[in-house]
Amino acid sequence: GESVGLHLPTLSVQEGDNSIINCAYSNSASDYFIWYKQESGKGPQFIIDIRSNMDKRQGQRVTVLLNKTVKHLSLQIAATQPGDSAVYFCAEIRGGADGLTFGKGTHLIIQP
Amino acid sequence: DAGITQSPRHKVTETGTPVTLRCHQTENHRYMYWYRQDPGHGLRLIHYSYGVKDTDKGEVSDGYSVSRSKTEDFLLTLESATSSQTSVYFCAISGGVPYGYTFGSGTRLTVV
Repeated sequence: GESVGLHLPTLSVQEGDNSIINCAYSNSASDYFIWYKQESGKGPQFIIDIRSNMDKRQGQRVTVLLNKTVKHLSLQIAATQPGDSAVYFCAEIRGGADGLTFGKGTHLIIQP
Repeated sequence: DAGITQSPRHKVTETGTPVTLRCHQTENHRYMYWYRQDPGHGLRLIHYSYGVKDTDKGEVSDGYSVSRSKTEDFLLTLESATSSQTSVYFCAISGGVPYGYTFGSGTRLTVV
């Protein structure tokens, strides 16, 4: 079925390096995408979003790239810090009121 | 999380008993959602509401019912809890795109 998914369940990076977390989606009708960060024992926390009419959006230390041709979304975190250690989810909105559809998540591990 | 509160935070209940989880918001948002989170499945939508007394089913609604008698409260009821409903439950609120979604801190429910 149609879903949003992530390529890797775990990503390990060195502190200070850049992290890239990928996400593939299958519904070309989705018009809004969000990246969430979830720390242990907490609810998902908004990081950054992007609309389907955009290719790139930048925030503080984070960049989201959207490639509609191959239905691919990525989250880039610059100069990864220990506090970035968490599970990252991409989510899509397919229109209407029925909320977000989430991928399964990538666990980002920061090596000292 | 600002503006959204879930209760209880933890609950242990016996198989076959009814359980109600509460989500309370102070943001006056129109949309409210219940998700469950399980290892290997990410977050999955149970039910959602697009206004007072207006609710609809999500991806995994079997065994669950909801009610929304006022804007600020969205209740999730397990009529007869089963072990398969052991999970972490998250409530989310939204004012609509592009305002994003805010998640509560979650309720960890264990059915024994």
